[in-house]
Amino acid sequence: EDQVTQSPEALRLQEGESSSLNCSYTVSGLRGLFWYRQDPGKGPEFLFTLYSAGEEKEKERLKATLTKKESFLHITAPKPEDSATYLCAVQAVGGSYIPTFGRGTSLIVHP
Amino acid sequence: NAGVTQTPKFQVLKTGQSMTLQCAQDMNHNSMYWYRQDPGMGLRLIYYSASEGTTDKGEVPNGYNVSRLNKREFSLRLESAAPSQTSVYFCASSGLGITEAFFGQGTRLTVV
Repeated sequence: EDQVTQSPEALRLQEGESSSLNCSYTVSGLRGLFWYRQDPGKGPEFLFTLYSAGEEKEKERLKATLTKKESFLHITAPKPEDSATYLCAVQAVGGSYIPTFGRGTSLIVHP
Repeated sequence: NAGVTQTPKFQVLKTGQSMTLQCAQDMNHNSMYWYRQDPGMGLRLIYYSASEGTTDKGEVPNGYNVSRLNKREFSLRLESAAPSQTSVYFCASSGLGITEAFFGQGTRLTVV
């Protein structure tokens, strides 16, 4: 069974304090790993897709990296507007392309 | 370009009442999904449709039915609502292959 575990569940940072969110996964084979951002009262919004170990993607203060067992979302010098829940999802090899989601990390950045 | 549109945004039901949540996408996607999101539980798949005319159960299908009316629309029906179905419901769609999902804004459902 495919499993996706995100840690920590919640993270509080001061503005400018860099940190990383973790997404570890157990799948028979990885097709793709996705990161989403979800603001309160809204649906998740797509951030990145990673396909293979060693791959990295960047967008503003966010950088996503991928190894064979986990992915990290690095947040550099965060701002209060980066506060949100960050979700990780994987698509596994074989069968359907249905993504399996982790439970998310709730990030709060204090000014 | 509206993306994925869900209606209604909020709903309060009494136990035993029925209702249908509507979802439509305008991106010509083949796959559509219904998820529920509960505190501490993340997104759990209720039903999905890989293409027009097909539907399959997800992780938590009990108490729900779905209809893939056409390529654009995918509805979720609660025949007899229960308090355990109080949740936020999200519809999503995606294209072929390894592609990201696009989500609607959600329906916040309370069953009393």
